Amino acid sequence: QVQLVESGGGVVQPGGSLRLSCAASGFTFSGYGMHWVRQAPGKGLEWVAFIRYDGSYKSYAKSVEGRFTISRDNSKSMLFLQMNSLRTDDTAVYFCLARDVRNDFDGWGQGTLVTVSS
Amino acid sequence: EIVLTQSPGTLSLSPGERATLSCRASQSVSSNYLAWYQQKPGQAPRLLIYGASIRATGIPDRFSGSGSGTDFTLTISRLEPEDFAVYYCQQYTWSLWTFGQGTKVEIK
Repeated sequence: QVQLVESGGGVVQPGGSLRLSCAASGFTFSGYGMHWVRQAPGKGLEWVAFIRYDGSYKSYAKSVEGRFTISRDNSKSMLFLQMNSLRTDDTAVYFCLARDVRNDFDGWGQGTLVTVSS
Repeated sequence: EIVLTQSPGTLSLSPGERATLSCRASQSVSSNYLAWYQQKPGQAPRLLIYGASIRATGIPDRFSGSGSGTDFTLTISRLEPEDFAVYYCQQYTWSLWTFGQGTKVEIK
């Protein structure tokens, strides 16, 4: 059973930084690409970032490129999102996601809320 | 970046009716990498369809996906009470993902 548990959300001022974590269990974490997806209050889903199973490749949405950094520690089955220069429009629930696009392997965490406000 | 546009924004239907949801891409998308998700309030999304037409494990056969190129469709043949939710299409191209803005299927 895939289990993903996000942590690290909270309230931060504009321009500030926050680091999200995602603890994975129930599957071979080192074998899967991982994503962060966010959802602003009352809005739709927005993909944020992807990291290849071995960390060798990363990609980002234009809205966060240069400000956010995705990383992983396969020895600890952990996924991270370092968020810098936060803006009010970064306010959202952030989900970590394990997904293999070639099949139906798909697991989501419960999300962690990030609020950027002065 | 490929933009996905879903229509309609809201679909008002009764249980037992057929729902047809559209997803149009701004440029051609590989059918291998087009998926549909269902999301209910307060929950994480659930994968329904991947590869444009393949049902994920445990998804009832009243859900079906079709399409290719820039036009894709999710059909729910007979709406059950638990199907009233928001549906998103999602594509993956060149390691970049995008989601459509969603279609809400509500009870009429």
